[in-house]
Amino acid sequence: GAVVSQHPSWVICKSGTSVKIECRSLDFQATTMFWYRQFPKQSLMLMATSNEGSKATYEQGVEKDKFLINHASLTLSTLTVTSAHPEDSSFYICSARVQNEKLFFGSGTQLSVL
Amino acid sequence: DQQVKQNSPSLSVQEGRISILNCDYTNSMFDYFLWYKKYPAEGPTFLISISSIKDKNEDGRFTVFLNKSAKHLSLHIVPSQPGDSAVYFCAAYTGNQFYFGTGTSLTVIP
Repeated sequence: GAVVSQHPSWVICKSGTSVKIECRSLDFQATTMFWYRQFPKQSLMLMATSNEGSKATYEQGVEKDKFLINHASLTLSTLTVTSAHPEDSSFYICSARVQNEKLFFGSGTQLSVL
Repeated sequence: DQQVKQNSPSLSVQEGRISILNCDYTNSMFDYFLWYKKYPAEGPTFLISISSIKDKNEDGRFTVFLNKSAKHLSLHIVPSQPGDSAVYFCAAYTGNQFYFGTGTSLTVIP
């Protein structure tokens, strides 16, 4: 199946710093990528839809100025958590849609903000 | 409002027996359903899917059943293996949006 690479897999940062998470489609072009967040024992929550060459579409309640998404090419989307705080600690997962319906996920990034 | 629900947060099954994971949904506009498997600290991996025009799809040990009248989806794993121990998410798709259930943690006991 399609491969989506997400990096880094684990990051620990101090409160107030910014963290960038990369999501790459390795063997296909992804015009649309999705960013999810998962808290323990909860469902995957869609944060935003990233479209190549245009602004991301954010879900209600997600701060666009805090979670900056850049989809600069057909194979790369980045999520930057700006001025991270402990409540931003979570598991972040990117995905790309293939064949119009199937999602392939990155391996996820566990963010811990001290 | 949770449009896709997995009411059993956990399930334990003996190796070799059948595992049945259930999922209920509320939106009749969903036209595609998927199951994903997730290990701790990893992203979900696609397992099996079914279109709303079908009621059954089988892939090896995995079978997904869809009951549209009851708005109910189930995943059967037979025989269950210890490597199947993971969290299973069901997802429903309509338009440009995926909706995920909260997951069921499956433990297969050797």
